[in-house]
Amino acid sequence: AQTVTQSQPEMSVQEAETVTLSCTYDTSENNYYLFWYKQPPSRQMILVIRQEAYKQQNATENRFSVNFQKAAKSFSLKISDSQLGDTAMYFCAFMKHGTNFGNEKLTFGTGTRLTIIP
Amino acid sequence: DVKVTQSSRYLVKRTGEKVFLECVQDMDHENMFWYRQDPGLGLRLIYFSYDVKMKEKGDIPEGYSVSREKKERFSLILESASTNQTSMYLCASSFPPWRGNTIYFGEGSWLTVV
Repeated sequence: AQTVTQSQPEMSVQEAETVTLSCTYDTSENNYYLFWYKQPPSRQMILVIRQEAYKQQNATENRFSVNFQKAAKSFSLKISDSQLGDTAMYFCAFMKHGTNFGNEKLTFGTGTRLTIIP
Repeated sequence: DVKVTQSSRYLVKRTGEKVFLECVQDMDHENMFWYRQDPGLGLRLIYFSYDVKMKEKGDIPEGYSVSREKKERFSLILESASTNQTSMYLCASSFPPWRGNTIYFGEGSWLTVV
């Protein structure tokens, strides 16, 4: 079974600053996907960024980037030039790779509540 | 645009009542999921379905059942609601792995059992 750990329950940062959210995971799988999801106060869960474990290059999406360390089983999210709209709960999640039914289940961490201060 | 709709955003039910939470997706996704979200616990998978009339237990199926009679609709059923089922319930859907693995979520249903 997979586990995902987010050790920072809450964080806050000034607007325009850079913030890094931590995530570690445990798995015996070699190929898998990692995700960061954002859940704003409106509650709609939104995909922020995805990383495929067999790709060494870290994924980036505009102001969002990840630091993926496969050997250390670490997957942190960096938000640059933070904006008020980034205030949300952020969840790290794991998915097995493959074509078998059931592989597409997500295992989530407990979340980090991020507040951007004006 | 991707759409997963949960018909009830806020419900208050009494202990022992039968509760139905409905979810509809309009993307022709094969997979549908029900998660439960609690503070400090993150999201935990209750059940998922990869086809009509097919279902698989997730991590916390006890006290719940599901129904998928049509591809677009996935219902979560609490046969006899209890106060420890007070929570936020999230429905999600996706294509099978060979067609992409992005999972789309509904807005959630807040259930309070009194």
